[in-house]
Amino acid sequence: KQEVTQIPAALSDPEGENLVLNCSFTDSAIYNLQWFRQDPGKGLTSLLLIQSSQREQTSGRLNASLDKSSGRSTLYIAASQPGDSATYLCAVIAGTYKYIFGTGTRLKVLA
Amino acid sequence: DAGVIQSPRHEVTEMGQEVTLRCKPISGHDYLFWYRQTMMRGLELLIYFNNNVPIDDSGMPEDRFSAKMPNASFSTLKIQPSEPRDSAVYFCASSSPGLARGTQYFGPGTRLTVL
Repeated sequence: KQEVTQIPAALSDPEGENLVLNCSFTDSAIYNLQWFRQDPGKGLTSLLLIQSSQREQTSGRLNASLDKSSGRSTLYIAASQPGDSATYLCAVIAGTYKYIFGTGTRLKVLA
Repeated sequence: DAGVIQSPRHEVTEMGQEVTLRCKPISGHDYLFWYRQTMMRGLELLIYFNNNVPIDDSGMPEDRFSAKMPNASFSTLKIQPSEPRDSAVYFCASSSPGLARGTQYFGPGTRLTVL
């Protein structure tokens, strides 16, 4: 059974730092991996989608890497800002439209 | 586009009552998903539809839960009778094969509290 874990569960850092959020999964047979952002009381916003044949994706200050063989993905946030404060979720796409979500990392960026 | 629309945004009910959650997917999307989010279990897929037909309902917790999609622009998730352990945020999402490998767009969620 696929299990997705995110470490750390919570992170608090001053603004301007380069941050690293980790996602690990137990079964490397995945289609894609996606990172989402969730603001309090809101739905999920897709940040980056990494297809299984790719090693990384970049969007602005965000960069996500994928290492299927080791069952790991990392989300890098460069030059963090208070507006980056949110919960970040990774989801493994294990079958057609079958999303398995991680436990989330609650990020707080201090001004 | 207005995005995925869910109603109500908040629902408070008493144990034993019937609860109906509603979702309108993004126009043109032919996949619709229902998720439940709790502190203990995180985000879990309950059921998903393709072209209004349920494809996988293995995540539906028990017979008290039922979901329907009578047409391409509307879906309901019903809980009857509701129990306190059903308290959670319920999300609806939609997608289309034309999107990058099935990217899903999520609604704002319905926060359900069962007293």
